[in-house]
Parts: sequence; C-alpha cells; structure tokens
Amino acid sequence: NAGVTQTPKFRVLKTGQSMTLLCAQDMNHEYMYWYRQDPGMGLRLIHYSVGEGTTAKGEVPDGYNVSRLKKQNFLLGLESAAPSQTSVYFCASSYSNRVARNTGELFFGEGSRLTVL
Amino acid sequence: RKEVEQDPGPFNVPEGATVAFNCTYSNSASQSFFWYRQDCRKEPKLLMSVYSSGNEDGRFTAQLNRASQYISLLIRDSKLSDSATYLCVVNINSGGYQKVTFGTGTKLQVIP
Repeated sequence: NAGVTQTPKFRVLKTGQSMTLLCAQDMNHEYMYWYRQDPGMGLRLIHYSVGEGTTAKGEVPDGYNVSRLKKQNFLLGLESAAPSQTSVYFCASSYSNRVARNTGELFFGEGSRLTVL
Repeated sequence: RKEVEQDPGPFNVPEGATVAFNCTYSNSASQSFFWYRQDCRKEPKLLMSVYSSGNEDGRFTAQLNRASQYISLLIRDSKLSDSATYLCVVNINSGGYQKVTFGTGTKLQVIP
C-alpha cells in the first residue's frame, strides 16, 4: 500500500517563484490536510479539505492556495514563494473527521522539504 | 497560552531506564487524545490513543488526567530504538467535527 504520497520530496525555489506540491492518497479517505513543520513551532495546519471539491483555511493559510478536484489528490500551491515559507510540508489524510466515525488517526506522507532563497 | 504544551527536552536516558513525558492542554472541552512518534526527518506516526481509564501497549503506558488537563506517556525499559520525538495530539469537537492540535513534541534520546 502506498498510503499517502507527496511529490516532490525536495525543492529549492527563488523568492517570487511559484510551485505546487502534490499529495495523493489511496485509502479512500475523506479528509486531507496540509501542515508545515518548523523548529520549535510544531505542526501547523495550513489548509484542509473535508471532501472532493471542498477546501478550508487552517491556522496559517496566507501565501498558500489549495485544490481538491479529485478525492485522492490534494494540491498545495505557492504563488509567489517567500523565504518565510522555507519549511517541511506534510500532507495527511484521515478516514473521517466526524466525531462519531473518527478513529483519530492521521496518516502522513513522508514530507516535502522546501527551501526558498 | 498554547493550546497544547510539551517540554521540548531533550530527555537523555540510559537504555533500560523508565521515562515519562507530560503534555498539558488548555481547552477543557478537549475530547480525544493521542501520542504520535516522529523519527528524525520522518513523518509522524500514531503511537497510541489515550483513554480515560489509562491504557497500556507493551512498554508504553498512557494516562489522562482531565481534572488537571494533562496526558502522560510512560516508557519502561527504554530501547535505543525509542529515540524519537513524541508528539501530543488533542482533538476538540467543534460542531461535530474534530479540530486536531499538535504539541511541539518532546525529544527522547536513549543512550547506550
């Protein structure tokens, strides 16, 4: 099982460049999330999606856009990269976020390391 | 005050030792609690859920204290392979959906 797959795993950008991170999951999960992880800050939620065609803002959404055109894919876009966006980005998915059906487990991809110069 | 707080460590312990981590949360409406493990430069993975009555999984024991709003993780007979960062996760029910909040993690280094 592939689980959650992120591409690319590493990328170096110059300030002002744009790029898209792709997250794909093969577990038929409804919910998908994009987090960034920085030293001393822990995991912070950027955007999330509760199903195909829906997206919502998380804790730190500024400078990012997302799309969920297909249930299995969740894309994170940086339109104009800034050095402050240098981070490790993790995609995650879960079966459901509804209280009654939630097992509580998030499944993470291996991470994408982004450096903005 | 942060929603979920953990001592960042590092906790340096010898093999075979017992070590415990605490995690405090600020929202008394928090409903479910978990410990995740994250190895260096890897993704977080679920270690165990934390139940109100406390629960054990091999060498790992998790406890919840709702009155004092903290959860704990106890590791007995530490192994070198236990070296990792342990993330506390707290979920709050928000309109029937879960808001997931991660702590910043506690780093454990088990020394030979």
